[in-house]
Amino acid sequence: TQLLEQSPQFLSIQEGENLTVYCNSSSVFSSLQWYRQEPGEGPVLLVTVVTGGEVKKLKRLTFQFGDARKDSSLHITAAQPGDTGLYLCAGNGSGNTGKLIFGQGTTLQVKP
Amino acid sequence: KAGVTQTPRYLIKTRGQQVTLSCSPISGHRSVSWYQQTPGQGLQFLFEYFSETQRNKGNFPGRFSGRQFSNSRSEMNVSTLELGDSALYLCASSLFGGASYNEQFFGPGTRLTVL
Repeated sequence: TQLLEQSPQFLSIQEGENLTVYCNSSSVFSSLQWYRQEPGEGPVLLVTVVTGGEVKKLKRLTFQFGDARKDSSLHITAAQPGDTGLYLCAGNGSGNTGKLIFGQGTTLQVKP
Repeated sequence: KAGVTQTPRYLIKTRGQQVTLSCSPISGHRSVSWYQQTPGQGLQFLFEYFSETQRNKGNFPGRFSGRQFSNSRSEMNVSTLELGDSALYLCASSLFGGASYNEQFFGPGTRLTVL
């Protein structure tokens, strides 16, 4: 069974601080997506990483896929209140499938 | 291009009833996946449809079923509702599904409350 573990589950920081969210598994994933979800809405896709060791940047957000494609991280520089939300990592299920396996999520609160 | 739409957005039902939720994928997308999101279990995969065929199914009881129409629109049905079925039901569409990078785009969800 493929599982993704996210940490931390909750994070409350001041505006301007940096943070890192981790997504780990004992399984290899062919790709991994990061989503951000606001209350009452569906997750919004932020990025997809496919190649081991890949690093992608989206403004102040940096995403990294582990060399072995078993883990990923999301780093936010100088967090802003607008970054507040639930961050989810999701890995492609094994085989030719439309199934995504989600981590439990990280709830981020950025206080002004 | 319009995003994924789900109807209704909110639904209140009582135990024992049945419910049907609808999802219209992004134009051109042929794969539709359904997920259940609860505070305790997070996002859990229900099933995926591609070209009107169920291609994959999660670990949910048979009370949960779905279908996909020729225009890729999908419906899911839950029969004999239980209190534990209260959740946000999310639909996601992707171009083909099952590609090496399975980018899925989510709708806003249907909030189901079972009383």
